[in-house]
Amino acid sequence: AQSVTQLGSHVSVSEGALVLLRCNYSSSVPPYLFWYVQYPNQGLQLLLKYTSAATLVKGINGFEAEFKKSETSFHLTKPSAHMSDAAEYFCAVSDLAQGGSEKLVFGKGTKLTVNP
Amino acid sequence: EPEVTQTPSHQVTQMGQEVILRCVPISNHLYFYWYRQILGQKVEFLVSFYNNEISEKSEIFDDQFSVERPDGSNFTLKIRSTKLEDSAMYFCASRLAGAGAGELFFGEGSRLTVL
Repeated sequence: AQSVTQLGSHVSVSEGALVLLRCNYSSSVPPYLFWYVQYPNQGLQLLLKYTSAATLVKGINGFEAEFKKSETSFHLTKPSAHMSDAAEYFCAVSDLAQGGSEKLVFGKGTKLTVNP
Repeated sequence: EPEVTQTPSHQVTQMGQEVILRCVPISNHLYFYWYRQILGQKVEFLVSFYNNEISEKSEIFDDQFSVERPDGSNFTLKIRSTKLEDSAMYFCASRLAGAGAGELFFGEGSRLTVL
């Protein structure tokens, strides 16, 4: 069964500092991987996805993530945090790539706080 | 920008009562989903729906749950007899037919509190 682990339920950074949100996955087949963001009082919004093309994936709002098979990781980064990045971030995996289920399996989420 | 809308935003109900959560997916989307998140836990898949039938459901989605697309715009989740453990945030999502896996558009959620 697939699973995702997000290290750190809360991450706090200063404005302008590097953002690093960690995600490790477990999958018996090459996965599709996703990062979603949830701003306060809004639904989840797709930030970026990895579907077996380039291992470095660029998303919206300056975020990017790198798929590292050897480390089974898909960490989310942004070089310089902005106050508007404060939100909850969810990593997710599916095995549709291998003709499996398209359902998303989510991590527990990481709440990002950006301090002025 | 088109969006998925959900009603109600918050519903409080007594254990054993029936609840219907409503969703209006984006108009040209053909795949529909319900996910839920119990407070402090992961977002969990409940069910996917395409071409007027369930395409996949999780173990959570037992006989107490049902989904329906009663008209061309609404997509509903019914819980027949609510239990305390059904208290959660329920998210509706939809996607285009040609969109890649996981490219879901989510609503803001409906918070269900069962007393």
